[in-house]
Amino acid sequence: DAGVIQSPRHEVTEMGQEVTLRCKPISGHNSLFWYRQTMMRGLELLIYFNNNVPIDDSGMPEDRFSAKMPNASFSTLKIQPSEPRDSAVYFCASTPVLVSVLGGDARYNEQFFGPGTRLTVL
Amino acid sequence: EDQVTQSPEALRLQEGESSSLNCSYTVSGLRGLFWYRQDPGKGPEFLFTLYSAGEEKEKERLKATLTKKESFLHITAPKPEDSATYLCAVQARGYNKLIFGAGTRLAVHP
Repeated sequence: DAGVIQSPRHEVTEMGQEVTLRCKPISGHNSLFWYRQTMMRGLELLIYFNNNVPIDDSGMPEDRFSAKMPNASFSTLKIQPSEPRDSAVYFCASTPVLVSVLGGDARYNEQFFGPGTRLTVL
Repeated sequence: EDQVTQSPEALRLQEGESSSLNCSYTVSGLRGLFWYRQDPGKGPEFLFTLYSAGEEKEKERLKATLTKKESFLHITAPKPEDSATYLCAVQARGYNKLIFGAGTRLAVHP
C-alpha cells in the first residue's frame, strides 16, 4: 500500500493567490482528516470527513478555507485568497473505522498521516 | 475544554540514558490516548493507542503507560535513531478528532 498521498509536497505562492492541496487516502479507510502544523500552534485539526461527508469543520480558520471530498479516494483543501499567515505544513490523514469487540463501541485506531505539503505564502 | 500538555518541551539524552516523557490531559471522557513519532520533514507516525487507565504497551525501547490524568512514554537505553518529536493526542468520547499536544523534541547523542 502506498500510504496517504499528498500533492504538491511544496508550494510557494504569492498573497492573494488561490492554493489547492490534494490528498489521496489509503484505500478502504472511511475517515479523512486535514491538519495544519506550525511552530506556534502545533498540529491543529482543520476538518474531517466520514464516508465523504464533512463532520466537523470547526477548525477551519475562516471562510477563505474550504475542503471537499467528492469520492472516497480524493480530497482537496483550498485557500482563496491565500495570506502569509497561512504558511504552514498541511497534513492529510486517514483511518479506518474499527468496531471494538466489547459492546460494539466504535473505536478509531491510528491515523495514517501523509508526508505533508509545505505551503509558503509570500 | 479538552486539553493536552506535554513535558518537557525538549529533552537531550546520552545514548543509553533512560528517561520518560509526560503527557497530561483533560478530556470529557477518554476514548483513547495516542502516541506518535514525527521525524523532521515527515508526517507523524503512529506508535501506540491506550484506552484505559492501567494499560501499558511496548515497542522495542518504548513503553507507554496510562493513568486517569496522564500518560508516560518511557524510553529505555535510547539510541540516536530514537531522536524525533514525540506527540501525544487524545480522543474524547463522541468525537472522532484527535487533540494533539505540542510535542517533546528528543535528541539522543552518542
